Amino acid sequence: NAGVTQTPKFRVLKTGQSMTLLCAQDMNHEYMYWYRQDPGMGLRLIHYSVGEGTTAKGEVPDGYNVSRLKKQNFLLGLESAAPSQTSVYFCASSRLQGGGYTFGSGTRLTVV
Amino acid sequence: GEDVEQSLFLSVREGDSSVINCTYTDSSSTYLYWYKQEPGAGLQLLTYIFSNMDMKQDQRLTVLLNKKDKHLSLRIADTQTGDSAIYFCAETRGNEKLTFGTGTRLTIIP
Repeated sequence: NAGVTQTPKFRVLKTGQSMTLLCAQDMNHEYMYWYRQDPGMGLRLIHYSVGEGTTAKGEVPDGYNVSRLKKQNFLLGLESAAPSQTSVYFCASSRLQGGGYTFGSGTRLTVV
Repeated sequence: GEDVEQSLFLSVREGDSSVINCTYTDSSSTYLYWYKQEPGAGLQLLTYIFSNMDMKQDQRLTVLLNKKDKHLSLRIADTQTGDSAIYFCAETRGNEKLTFGTGTRLTIIP
């Protein structure tokens, strides 16, 4: 039982490049979330999904897009990477929106 | 809106008890969680408490909830080096997303 799997684990991008981060969960959870973690700022919600085919903005959505075409996958896209998007990105899923979240191990992204 | 506050750092001697504190502003919070993040890893759910409880104990972990003061604490008895991590509290009204605190980095002094 893998839980929540994030790929890739590390990535270095040049400013202006694009990339997609993949999150996959095998727990049949309805809810999925993308967070970024920066020193001293805790976790900030980027986008989330309340079910297959749905997405919604979190507190810091600018510069990111998401898609949830399949229930088990939640993709986070950066169309034109900026140095301010250097961060550690975490995906999480939950059965209930207010229930305990299961987190992936994170993707460390550096934009130079 | 909701806000969850934590101190950023805590240092404790090995073998002592650690107490990590959290305050929140939403009086409608129904579930409160503690997560642990070890270096280079994601967050793991440690424990949780319902708002109708004052205390919950699970082996070395004790969670205390003071609803009147909107104060949550996590006590780790007999702190070990493996307890070094960042600890996040989180709250929700049950049908909404979790709101996380900024996290408290616990350092163990040998």
